[in-house]
Amino acid sequence: EVVLTQSPGTLSLSPGERATLSCRASQSVSTTYLTWYQLKPGQAPRLLIFGASSRATGIPDRFSGSGSGTDFSLTISGLEPEDFAMYYCQHYNGASWTFGQGTKVEIK
Amino acid sequence: QVQLVESGGTVVQPGGSLRLSCAASGLTFSLFGMHWVRQSPGKGLEWVTFIENDGNTKYYADSVKGRFTVSRDNSKNTMYLQMNNLRSEDTAVYYCAKWDRTAVAHTSSYDYYLGVWGKGTTVIVSS
Repeated sequence: EVVLTQSPGTLSLSPGERATLSCRASQSVSTTYLTWYQLKPGQAPRLLIFGASSRATGIPDRFSGSGSGTDFSLTISGLEPEDFAMYYCQHYNGASWTFGQGTKVEIK
Repeated sequence: QVQLVESGGTVVQPGGSLRLSCAASGLTFSLFGMHWVRQSPGKGLEWVTFIENDGNTKYYADSVKGRFTVSRDNSKNTMYLQMNNLRSEDTAVYYCAKWDRTAVAHTSSYDYYLGVWGKGTTVIVSS
């Protein structure tokens, strides 16, 4: 089973700053199955990035994903107030789905 | 617009049973695989189970295998999660999500992802 490790656990930044979130896989994975989600309290989780780098419909272009092999990242180029939330990477291996433990982006 | 609405969450005693429902609208439900994903208090997202569009293929997380059963009724556009022998560690918000895919340009492959999620229903296992 692929284990996803996200870092840092918490990112304290100010609005307008750049956020870079890391997701490291325990073994090389296909970008096809690497996805990022945003989760806010009381709301439905929201798909942000699929295929490691493709933005989902309606996602602002300040969100971008990159990476390959074992190292992936989600970048938010200029934080807006609504971007302070939890972020999870996720991988699919054909018969099971795993999530990273999440990164909290909080207001500094 | 695709909408998923979970229901059935409540407080239940350890060892008890509960059935959750996920009602779908705005899509041809019978074409899509579906998931249950949960988030326990203070913890991250945990995948629970998947059911293929025709209900014939199902996968479970080890933590729920043998206790939880996923099913669906395509005539009612609804997926279910039957939870038996509940434990305190099953306390969580349970989300249903649609399994989606997008063709990768200039290839014959697809990107796969959980494209639409519901807002969740809360299950509390406590005496």
